[in-house]
Amino acid sequence: GQNIDQPTEMTATEGAIVQINCTYQTSGFNGLFWYQQHAGEAPTFLSYNVLDGLEEKGRFSSFLSRSKGYSYLLLKELQMKDSASYLCAVKDRGSTLGRLYFGRGTQLTVWP
Amino acid sequence: EAQVTQNPRYLITVTGKKLTVTCSQNMNHEYMSWYRQDPGLGLRQIYYSMNVEVTDKGDVPEGYKVSRKEKRNFPLILESPSPNQTSLYFCASSLRGVTNNSPLHFGNGTRLTVT
Repeated sequence: GQNIDQPTEMTATEGAIVQINCTYQTSGFNGLFWYQQHAGEAPTFLSYNVLDGLEEKGRFSSFLSRSKGYSYLLLKELQMKDSASYLCAVKDRGSTLGRLYFGRGTQLTVWP
Repeated sequence: EAQVTQNPRYLITVTGKKLTVTCSQNMNHEYMSWYRQDPGLGLRQIYYSMNVEVTDKGDVPEGYKVSRKEKRNFPLILESPSPNQTSLYFCASSLRGVTNNSPLHFGNGTRLTVT
């Protein structure tokens, strides 16, 4: 398996910016995904990084540094509906196309 | 509508009574997978399938079986459920493995309680 670490909980206020970090250790990195999961619902895909740098998608951006084994998800202009769990998932080059390893998720609470 | 459909959404059963959770996708995806999600442990992969008749174990396959006789269906079978299999289960699919342009699409989950 992989060693993927992310904070358990974070809080922020509406309109603010929050950064959710994810660190990983893998024998052969081959991509990192971020998923959003609202309570009681299915995870939904947010972003994918395989090369170093920042990928921007509207209010959400994701950054990757392969040399540091580090990624973050940046959420801008926070809204109440952004309260959810954010899952970091890593794909290992050594595996087949079928293995994706998830972190334990970061529960984000957005306050008014 | 493109979707992954799991049934049932909720299931309460007793130890040892065989059960099947169904999963179906209508997107012609080759890859399908089962995960369980437990508090503090995150999503853990049970089994996955790269295509029809091709399945492989994930991280926590003990106590589970799967089959992939048709491309659209990937049922999860618990031959003799035990209380430690009480969990939230998700089925997921993607077009062709897990790649940058082929993210996982998840079903709505099945909450299983084994007493």
